[in-house]
Amino acid sequence: GAVVSQHPSRVICKSGTSVKIECRSLDFQATTMFWYRQFPKQSLMLMATSNEGSKATYEQGVEKDKFLINHASLTLSTLTVTSAHPEDSSFYICSARLRGGVDTQYFGPGTRLTVL
Amino acid sequence: KQEVTQIPAALSVPEGENLVLNCSFTDSAIYNLQWFRQDPGKGLTSLLLIQSSQREQTSGRLNASLDKSSGRSTLYIAASQPGDSATYLCAVKTGANNLFFGTGTRLTVIP
Repeated sequence: GAVVSQHPSRVICKSGTSVKIECRSLDFQATTMFWYRQFPKQSLMLMATSNEGSKATYEQGVEKDKFLINHASLTLSTLTVTSAHPEDSSFYICSARLRGGVDTQYFGPGTRLTVL
Repeated sequence: KQEVTQIPAALSVPEGENLVLNCSFTDSAIYNLQWFRQDPGKGLTSLLLIQSSQREQTSGRLNASLDKSSGRSTLYIAASQPGDSATYLCAVKTGANNLFFGTGTRLTVIP
């Protein structure tokens, strides 16, 4: 089946530093990848949609200069949280849509970010 | 804006019981509804996807229903097992990319 990995699974960093999270589709090509954020006891919220080779589309309220997304290949998208602050501490999950697919998104295992 | 609510937030049942998880959404203009399972430290696993034109979907011990006009869906789990313990999320798709998730129901099946 379609597998999506994320790295790292857990990261702790100091306030003001930048953190990069990788999302890879291991056995399929994904023209579209999605980044979600989940705060404790809240729903997953879509942050941005990235299409390979083009700029990401950000949801309302998500700062594009703070959350940098790069989707340079059909199997890799990265999310960089720049100048992280404690309020950015959250669970970040990516998903990938199969090339040519419409409905199905395959989700990664998530990355727990803690900013001290 | 679409809002998705899941009740109850947590549920504990003894092994072997049948159970129902509920999901409601405010905007009935959806493309489809999905039920996911989320295990701690792992990603989401899609369980069932119901298109807006469908009323239900079944997979093994799972049955999901959809009443689009009333904005409700249920996930029925028959003969629950300890391995069913997880958080169950429902999500509705309203556009090309938009998936709106509920907050989930944390299920514990007691051996």
